[in-house]
Amino acid sequence: NAGVMQNPRHLVRRRGQEARLRCSPMKGHSHVYWYRQLPEEGLKFMVYLQKENIIDESGMPKERFSAEFPKEGPSILRIQQVVRGDSAAYFCASSSTDSQGPNSPLHFGNGTRLTVT
Amino acid sequence: AQSVAQPEDQVNVAEGNPLTVKCTYSVSGNPYLFWYVQYPNRGLQFLLKYITGDNLVKGSYGFEAEFNKSQTSFHLKKPSALVSDSALYFCAVNTNTGFQKLVFGTGTRLLVSP
Repeated sequence: NAGVMQNPRHLVRRRGQEARLRCSPMKGHSHVYWYRQLPEEGLKFMVYLQKENIIDESGMPKERFSAEFPKEGPSILRIQQVVRGDSAAYFCASSSTDSQGPNSPLHFGNGTRLTVT
Repeated sequence: AQSVAQPEDQVNVAEGNPLTVKCTYSVSGNPYLFWYVQYPNRGLQFLLKYITGDNLVKGSYGFEAEFNKSQTSFHLKKPSALVSDSALYFCAVNTNTGFQKLVFGTGTRLLVSP
């Protein structure tokens, strides 16, 4: 059973370009989270999605950032007009809809390391 | 707002010795507490969690953690450290919002020397 798959592993963008980060959750998981890890910091919650629905996006910057989890295909985190401060590791995690609810451990992907030059 | 503090940036321990990685938390309501480990260039891996019940929680790879409500702490422990335990450890809290909106500490780097 494949784990959470993120691609690309590394992404380099010039200032002003767009970055698209992809995440395929574990098989059978319909809950997807995006977290961001800035250098020397812990992970910060960005957004929580279920299929075709954004449930909580309180951690997303107000501008330039968007996320989706379509009925078919991976979840996408999109950053428009990137700036140097967007350089970070972006982690996707998924969980199942089992009875544990908020207690279900998250399964993390290996992350996408975005570098903005 | 909930928060998690990991007061030590790094913990050094010799192989075979016991280790402790400290974590304190601040939440309103009952805390759901987690420990995750991160190896270089990898995602986080779940170690253990406290939801309710026994204050001593046992997890993966021989790790355990003790929930102390009066001290609002959830320290990670292992009786005998291995060199392979060297990694970055994160404490996190969730306050049962219905999903895993975790607040993470800043992480503690554990270095186990041979």
